[in-house]
Amino acid sequence: DAKTTQPPSMDCAEGRAANLPCNHSTISGNEYVYWYRQIHSQGPQYIIHGLKNNETNEMASLIITEDRKSSTLILPHATLRDTAVYYCIVGSNDYKLSFGAGTTVTVRA
Amino acid sequence: AAGVIQSPRHLIKEKRETATLKCYPIPRHDTVYWYQQGPGQDPQFLISFYEKMQSDKGSIPDRFSAQQFSDYHSELNMSSLELGDSALYFCASSSFTVNTEAFFGQGTRLTVV
Repeated sequence: DAKTTQPPSMDCAEGRAANLPCNHSTISGNEYVYWYRQIHSQGPQYIIHGLKNNETNEMASLIITEDRKSSTLILPHATLRDTAVYYCIVGSNDYKLSFGAGTTVTVRA
Repeated sequence: AAGVIQSPRHLIKEKRETATLKCYPIPRHDTVYWYQQGPGQDPQFLISFYEKMQSDKGSIPDRFSAQQFSDYHSELNMSSLELGDSALYFCASSSFTVNTEAFFGQGTRLTVV
């Protein structure tokens, strides 16, 4: 599986957009970019995924660069309940997700 | 909407005992995955099943085995438990046929004493 690199932590102000970067320079052509988050030992929660086009759903937006070597997850209006560890994962659609070290996002009032 | 159900939620066992964890996938999901998350660690993939057949294998110890039954629920059997097996165990399910994303259960916290 391709490896991803994320910053270990970031802070965000409540109500502001949170932009979470992820580098995946070795991603191969058939691999997707997935984002999950885990809130304090709960089960990981699916956020969004994409192949090469930008994606948006009710939770977030995913911006993938044209060369697919990096992406950004955008939480448009962060709330305190968005405090979690966010995982960027690349893989094929068999969903054997390989979790790396994610980004601990702390939303502050 | 129905989610992935795991039981039990908490389990305490002594060293060298056995444990069985159960996972009930979302209805019409044909694939289940098992993950182990030790204290302060990220989830690690153990094993997966598609249509009752093992589809992939990760870092699962030989003391562990798993299967998926005809109703698609899955069980993770753990024998000769060691202190280091204390962890959160997550199950996830997806539909390969419809190509849905994977959804996780709330996990089973296993404590080996």
